[in-house]
Amino acid sequence: NAGVTQTPKFQVLKTGQSMTLQCAQDMNHEYMSWYRQDPGMGLRLIHYSVGAGITDQGEVPNGYNVSRSTTEDFPLRLLSAAPSQTSVYFCASRTPGQENYGYTFGSGTRLTVV
Amino acid sequence: AQSVTQPDIHITVSEGASLELRCNYSYGATPYLFWYVQSPGQGLQLLLKYFSGDTLVQGIKGFEAEFKRSQSSFNLRKPSVHWSDAAEYFCAVGGRTGTASKLTFGTGTRLQVTL
Repeated sequence: NAGVTQTPKFQVLKTGQSMTLQCAQDMNHEYMSWYRQDPGMGLRLIHYSVGAGITDQGEVPNGYNVSRSTTEDFPLRLLSAAPSQTSVYFCASRTPGQENYGYTFGSGTRLTVV
Repeated sequence: AQSVTQPDIHITVSEGASLELRCNYSYGATPYLFWYVQSPGQGLQLLLKYFSGDTLVQGIKGFEAEFKRSQSSFNLRKPSVHWSDAAEYFCAVGGRTGTASKLTFGTGTRLQVTL
């Protein structure tokens, strides 16, 4: 049972480049979320999904796109990277109806945009 | 809107000393409350959670937290800190209703342990 797997672990992009951060979970969790972590700001919600085919915006969605074609995968796309998107990105998942159980987090992707 | 405040950005304690990390939340009803720990370069690990019942909850690694509704607080405590507890600690609040039940995090408290 791998839990939540994020790839890559590290990435350097040039301004204007595009890329996709991958997130996969093998726990059959319906709820999945993307957070970004910046110093002094904690974790902020970017996008989330409550099931395949359903996504919604979080607190800081600008500059990011998501889709959810399967229960297992929830990729995060940066269409035109900006230095302000330099951050550590975490993917998390949980089962609906188990809000009290909390989320399971991936180990993160450290992204630098130069 | 739900929110979490962790007033201490950085705390330093001596190994063996007691620890209390503060967390205050804002939520319209009784929330789900969580404490997560993050070691350098790692993801977040759930320490403990409160959702109902006994207001003093026990977690992993010897941590406990007390939910105080009147103070809107959920402070994390440990009687005797070990050097391996040095990490960043995040308090989070989650809603009980709605399909999303999004987690809102505080800004974190970095714990340094001196030997």
